[in-house]
Amino acid sequence: NAGVTQTPKFRVLKTGQSMTLLCAQDMNHEYMYWYRQDPGMGLRLIHYSVGEGTTAKGEVPDGYNVSRLKKQNFLLGLESAAPSQTSVYFCASSPPGTPRRQFFGPGTRLTVL
Amino acid sequence: AQKVTQAQTEISVVEKEDVTLDCVYETRDTTYYLFWYKQPPSGELVFLIRRNSFDEQNEISGRYSWNFQKSTSSFNFTITASQVVDSAVYFCALGGEINAGNNRKLIWGLGTSLAVNP
Repeated sequence: NAGVTQTPKFRVLKTGQSMTLLCAQDMNHEYMYWYRQDPGMGLRLIHYSVGEGTTAKGEVPDGYNVSRLKKQNFLLGLESAAPSQTSVYFCASSPPGTPRRQFFGPGTRLTVL
Repeated sequence: AQKVTQAQTEISVVEKEDVTLDCVYETRDTTYYLFWYKQPPSGELVFLIRRNSFDEQNEISGRYSWNFQKSTSSFNFTITASQVVDSAVYFCALGGEINAGNNRKLIWGLGTSLAVNP
């Protein structure tokens, strides 16, 4: 099992460009999450999904959109990238029900110039 | 509201010292779950432990131990005889009750950066 994978691992964008980060998991987990990590800020939840076709906002959703068309995939989109979105992005998944361990992907380092 | 506080931003110790990382949480849920994760310099997030609110027994795993005290709403993590490889950022997190919808996401502390020096 690959667990949680993220594509790409690194990306450099110019301000105003768009891009999509892909997260895939092969554990049949219902719940999936997108976080961003900035120095001193810990992990901040951007959006999450509790099942195929559903998404919900986390604590820092502005400037991002997500889609969960397939259970195993969770896409994070930046429509018009800004330097403030320079960060490391982590995807995670977990089973439903009582809070379980979240399985994390390796992260994507995004730089917006 | 749920909240997790890791008051220690950075800790620096010398190898072989014992070190305790503090985690204090706030929740109104009767049933909840606490987690610790480790993030070494390589960047990946490594799960360490999950503990539910009904189990107040301390947990020991090798050089790692966890002290859960409901009376003080704390779930502290101790590394005994620290090693350089323990250098990492450590995160504490809280998950809540299904009925309250608090099970869907974890509430994370800001992390404690531990440096173990040779």
